[in-house]
Amino acid sequence: QQPVQSPQAVILREGEDAVINCSSSKALYSVHWYRQKHGEAPVFLMILLKGGEQKGHDKISASFNEKKQQSSLYLTASQLSYSGTYFCGTESPRPSNFGNEKLTFGTGTRLTIIP
Amino acid sequence: KAGVTQTPRYLIKTRGQQVTLSCSPISGHRSVSWYQQTPGQGLQFLFEYFSETQRNKGNFPGRFSGRQFSNSRSEMNVSTLELGDSALYLCASSLGQQSREQFFGPGTRLTVL
Repeated sequence: QQPVQSPQAVILREGEDAVINCSSSKALYSVHWYRQKHGEAPVFLMILLKGGEQKGHDKISASFNEKKQQSSLYLTASQLSYSGTYFCGTESPRPSNFGNEKLTFGTGTRLTIIP
Repeated sequence: KAGVTQTPRYLIKTRGQQVTLSCSPISGHRSVSWYQQTPGQGLQFLFEYFSETQRNKGNFPGRFSGRQFSNSRSEMNVSTLELGDSALYLCASSLGQQSREQFFGPGTRLTVL
């Protein structure tokens, strides 16, 4: 079952903040975040492992609450380059030691930044 | 370092035909995953290969199959094409052990008429 992302779309002015949520009905081992610009391949942003960690680089950060099976992506002081569709991908617990586990992606959140 | 490459980039086929798509992962990556992307369904996992073995499989019919070669290059095949198979097919590669970041290729746009 796909994780649910909210909102489905958001329009911001440059410099405003945004929060994108990802919620799963299944227990999670990790959450991945990717951004895809129109006509391009998805690009990796970050991975959060169970343990409730929070990560971030530059002005994009994320949190993962494994008890609530939720993750949130925070974009602060948004820039035009942040525009695109953001996907969360979730992994179930007990991954193997090798290779990728099956990633189940949400349907995406389209973020538009206007000047 | 070269990224993930996919060939061909565009394909037009008719219903009932068969198609083979190719993916060359980043050098040193042993895991390749395939995804189908459509506007309505988003990114749907097809299957994942590691060291020539299929490790994971999504919920797609048997018409969708794949394989991985000893050099980690991977192919996916779709037989008896249906209109609903029109989509962007993405492959992603990863180092594998202790590394979960996936690097996506540009995709193959398949149109079934």
